[in-house]
Amino acid sequence: AQSVAQPEDQVNVAEGNPLTVKCTYSVSGNPYLFWYVQYPNRGLQFLLKYITGDNLVKGSYGFEAEFNKSQTSFHLKKPSALVSDSALYFCAVRDDRTGGFKTIFGAGTRLFVKA
Amino acid sequence: NAGVTQTPKFQVLKTGQSMTLQCAQDMNHEYMSWYRQDPGMGLRLIHYSVGAGITDQGEVPNGYNVSRSTTEDFPLRLLSAAPSQTSVYFCASSPPGQERYEQYFGPGTRLTVT
Repeated sequence: AQSVAQPEDQVNVAEGNPLTVKCTYSVSGNPYLFWYVQYPNRGLQFLLKYITGDNLVKGSYGFEAEFNKSQTSFHLKKPSALVSDSALYFCAVRDDRTGGFKTIFGAGTRLFVKA
Repeated sequence: NAGVTQTPKFQVLKTGQSMTLQCAQDMNHEYMSWYRQDPGMGLRLIHYSVGAGITDQGEVPNGYNVSRSTTEDFPLRLLSAAPSQTSVYFCASSPPGQERYEQYFGPGTRLTVT
């Protein structure tokens, strides 16, 4: 069965510092991995995805994520955080062998960037 | 394009009442899904559809029904509302034919069951 873990409920970082939001996953086949962001009282917005190829994926708003197959991780990163990055971040996975379009989300990590 | 639209934005129900949450998309997306979002639990998949006439259960389907008579619409029906169904509900869609595409989310419906 597919599963996603986001081990941190909240990440605090100072503006201008690098940030990392962690995600690990479990699937039977090959993973399709996604990051989404949710601002208050809004729906989720797509940030980036890993399907195949280069392990470092670049996405919207300067975010990037690194796929690590041996550690089954897909951590979200940004070199320099902005106060406006403060939001709720979700990691999600699809399993190409068993899940089809079925997408499983992590519990979310709240990012707080302090000025 | 309006994208993914959901109605109503807010709803209060009494225990035992039934209602339908509406979801529509104008992007010709084949895949549509319903999620509920609860604090500390992220998004949990209720039901999903890979095309008109085809639906399947997600992680938490009990107490909910869906149908997909057209590509555009994917309503979620609560048969007999319970306080445990108090949540924020999101509808989402993906482009046709590929599992590798991201989902587009609607703005959500906040449901309270008293």
